[in-house]
Amino acid sequence: NAGVTQTPKFQVLKTGQSMTLQCAQDMNHEYMSWYRQDPGMGLRLIHYSVGAGITDQGEVPNGYNVSRSTTEDFPLRLLSAAPSQTSVYFCASSFLGPNSPLHFGNGTRLTVT
Amino acid sequence: AQKVTQAQTEISVVEKEDVTLDCVYETRDTTYYLFWYKQPPSGELVFLIRRNSFDEQNEISGRYSWNFQKSTSSFNFTITASQVVDSAVYFCALSEAGRETSGSRLTFGEGTQLTVNP
Repeated sequence: NAGVTQTPKFQVLKTGQSMTLQCAQDMNHEYMSWYRQDPGMGLRLIHYSVGAGITDQGEVPNGYNVSRSTTEDFPLRLLSAAPSQTSVYFCASSFLGPNSPLHFGNGTRLTVT
Repeated sequence: AQKVTQAQTEISVVEKEDVTLDCVYETRDTTYYLFWYKQPPSGELVFLIRRNSFDEQNEISGRYSWNFQKSTSSFNFTITASQVVDSAVYFCALSEAGRETSGSRLTFGEGTQLTVNP
């Protein structure tokens, strides 16, 4: 039972480069989301999805794109990386409902130089 | 707008001491949900507890207990007889009320780094 799987675990990018952070879950969860964690700021919601083909913006969506073509996968795309996007990124999933606990992946540590 | 405040940035205790982590929240919703997560040094986020706004009963799970008080908008977490393995960052989070077709759009506090020394 893998749960939520994120790849890669670490990534270094140069300013202006693009990349995709992968996220997959095998729990048949309808809801998936991406957070970024920065020191002293907790976790902030970037984008989320309540099902295949449906995505929406969270608190800090600028500079990121998402798509949800299947229930299992929810990739996060950085189109043109900036140093301000240096962070630890977490993917999370749950069943629908505002009281459903989120299950988190192990995170991706991204550094943009 | 929702907000969660964890005023204690860092707490350091000696093993076997009791420690309370504070969490204060703000919301306009009358129905909401509160969560605590643990992030050990390995970095993963582990769900600890969920509390509904209409259920003010305190909860105890082993050495962990939670005190929810709507009157003060607080949801504090106490670890009794702390152990070195309790060392972690602890996050309090708030979920706004929504339809059952929505998900848990959590608003997190800043986190409290707990260090338990032997």
